Amino acid sequence: RKEVEQDPGPFNVPEGATVAFNCTYSNSASQSFFWYRQDCRKEPKLLMSVYSSGNEDGRFTAQLNRASQYISLLIRDSKLSDSATYLCVVSPYSSASKIIFGSGTRLSIRP
Amino acid sequence: DGGITQSPKYLFRKEGQNVTLSCEQNLNHDAMYWYRQDPGQGLRLIYYSQIVNDFQKGDIAEGYSVSREKKESFPLTVTSAQKNPTAFYLCASSMGTGGQPQHFGDGTRLSIL
Repeated sequence: RKEVEQDPGPFNVPEGATVAFNCTYSNSASQSFFWYRQDCRKEPKLLMSVYSSGNEDGRFTAQLNRASQYISLLIRDSKLSDSATYLCVVSPYSSASKIIFGSGTRLSIRP
Repeated sequence: DGGITQSPKYLFRKEGQNVTLSCEQNLNHDAMYWYRQDPGQGLRLIYYSQIVNDFQKGDIAEGYSVSREKKESFPLTVTSAQKNPTAFYLCASSMGTGGQPQHFGDGTRLSIL
């Protein structure tokens, strides 16, 4: 089993739709969680950190479920500009070598 | 503007040649990282450094070398021992290693001539 697993997609949804991705992780000691966005042939950019209580940033909501060991990202009222690959990142507090990037979920928003 | 600068954007390597990728940050971050990304794949950690004059191997360090003589700089050398160097190389930095998000440069694409 991979340490961090994401559905590769692609998710193809119409503009204005709500879409959700899950990311599962295997190391129960993981402490920090992030979502990054990566556009084609570009670097990953931090979208949001994921906190235990869940957090929201505009149209984006991230949640953490420690019991089931997954994090989720919900995008509401999707825009064409949301088309990208979304990377899930899992990290324990102490070790840089244990930061794990998921392979990403591709999202394509159609007009 | 604060950020991470990678150069060059594109690089071509000849057989048997060593090439060096530059990474400079002015974010005053302690930790710096090098990743490799192959098409359709996730990021794989090559080397990381938590402090000046110290660095650690990541998952795929063979065929690569680094130095960290200054806080701002973390160059990566792709040696001739790396037989499959064609990839997208990403440098990142963070305030610390644990629990801190990483910020990336815009990458270097390396190809074999």
